Amino acid sequence: GAGVSQSPRYKVAKRGQDVALRCDPISGHVSLFWYQQALGQGPEFLTYFQNEAQLDKSGLPSDRFFAERPEGSVSTLKIQRTQQEDSAVYLCASSSGTVSYEQYFGPGTRLTVT
Amino acid sequence: QKEVEQNSGPLSVPEGAIASLNCTYSDRGSQSFFWYRQYSGKSPELIMFIYSNGDKEDGRFTAQLNKASQYVSLLIRDSQPSDSATYLCAVRGGYQKVTFGIGTKLQVIP
Repeated sequence: GAGVSQSPRYKVAKRGQDVALRCDPISGHVSLFWYQQALGQGPEFLTYFQNEAQLDKSGLPSDRFFAERPEGSVSTLKIQRTQQEDSAVYLCASSSGTVSYEQYFGPGTRLTVT
Repeated sequence: QKEVEQNSGPLSVPEGAIASLNCTYSDRGSQSFFWYRQYSGKSPELIMFIYSNGDKEDGRFTAQLNKASQYVSLLIRDSQPSDSATYLCAVRGGYQKVTFGIGTKLQVIP
């Protein structure tokens, strides 16, 4: 089980609820990325961590989105007051170095906001 | 103008033919270029990356980069039905942010 894992795999939330999505990167991987992929689109960058430091959060669509990686391994993406437009697959990826030549993706969490 | 442009397809090729997938990007400072394959309902998996002008070959796959034209392509030789998937072009800028295109859907017809 050396790959990137994400949980839950599927999440249904009522509009206005808060959700938390978890990512377990490959052990020892320094870099961690979050992406949002809407149906029929490519992944859209959300944020990037190098160890515990969040070095780029330019892709977070609003202040309702928050990500953390407090100990430099597991990361959580939190969405507050979910809206229908937040419905998407949220992908986590990790890479071993500080240069993202090869990112390994997790299976994703499919979020549906009703 | 999108940062990474791809034709969404579908691109249909007969089995055994060469599939040619194309991508253009807008940021001249881009440093690394990636091709990912994504099967329906699955997450992307890296096929190749390239960062120097020219060709890079790996088995049936060849990535081509032309920085002057801001153009990246992927050739798949001897296409197989199992190659049917969406192919995502991705570009890394000056730091870590990787920008993906919309993806081109490839259909290999037996």
